[in-house]
Amino acid sequence: DAKTTQPPSMDCAEGRAANLPCNHSTISGNEYVYWYRQIHSQGPQYIIHGLKNNETNEMASLIITEDRKSSTLILPHATLRDTAVYYCIVEFSGGYQKVTFGTGTKLQVIP
Amino acid sequence: GAVVSQHPSWVICKSGTSVKIECRSLDFQATTMFWYRQFPKQSLMLMATSNEGSKATYEQGVEKDKFLINHASLTLSTLTVTSAHPEDSSFYICSARDISGWGGSANTGELFFGEGSRLTVL
Repeated sequence: DAKTTQPPSMDCAEGRAANLPCNHSTISGNEYVYWYRQIHSQGPQYIIHGLKNNETNEMASLIITEDRKSSTLILPHATLRDTAVYYCIVEFSGGYQKVTFGTGTKLQVIP
Repeated sequence: GAVVSQHPSWVICKSGTSVKIECRSLDFQATTMFWYRQFPKQSLMLMATSNEGSKATYEQGVEKDKFLINHASLTLSTLTVTSAHPEDSSFYICSARDISGWGGSANTGELFFGEGSRLTVL
C-alpha cells in the first residue's frame, strides 16, 4: 500500500508557483521522499528527492517538514508543460526495493 | 543519463493471442526491473519485480501464468501477456534503477521509467 496521501487535483495559474503537498506520517528514519511526475501517456519522470533537508534542482524545490511527516514540492514558475500527475513516494534510496504508487495529484496549469 | 526503453510503444492484437513487451536498460545494467500496469485515469499498479537470472516476484492478485516475465540478461526484461483478452488492454510500464551509476546518473536512487507500451486487445 502507498505510504503517502496527496490531494487528487490542483490548479495553478501559468507563471505562478505550484505548491503540491504530500503527507507521509509513517515515514521511517532512513526513507527518502521522492517526487515523480507523469505527463499524459508517458512513463513517469523523476523530479527530486530528499531525506530531511530542503532540496532544490533545476526543476523544482522540495520542502520537508522538520518531523518529516509531510513535504511540499514547489514548481517556482509553472508552465503549461508542467500539467501532469505528480506522485510523492517514500522509499529507501537505491537498492532493489519495489515502489508502489499512490493516486498522485493531477496538476492543471491554467493559461 | 540512464535510459530505459520499451518496445513496442503500442500494440493491437486479437483476443487469444500473446503479446511480448520488451524493456531495456540502454546504458546501465539492471539486475532488477519493475513492471507496472496503468488503466485510464488510474495510478500505476505494480505487477511484478523482474529479477535477472531468477523467477519474477508477482504482486498479490497478478496471475503469473498470465503475465510471463523473463529477465534473461542484465539489460533486458520481457513481459508476455498470454492469451490476451480485452480486459488486459492497458498501459504497461517498466522501470529500473541505475544502482551501479554506470549510466552516468548521479546515482540518486531514482527509478527510470520506460516510455510505456499501450496494449489494445480486440
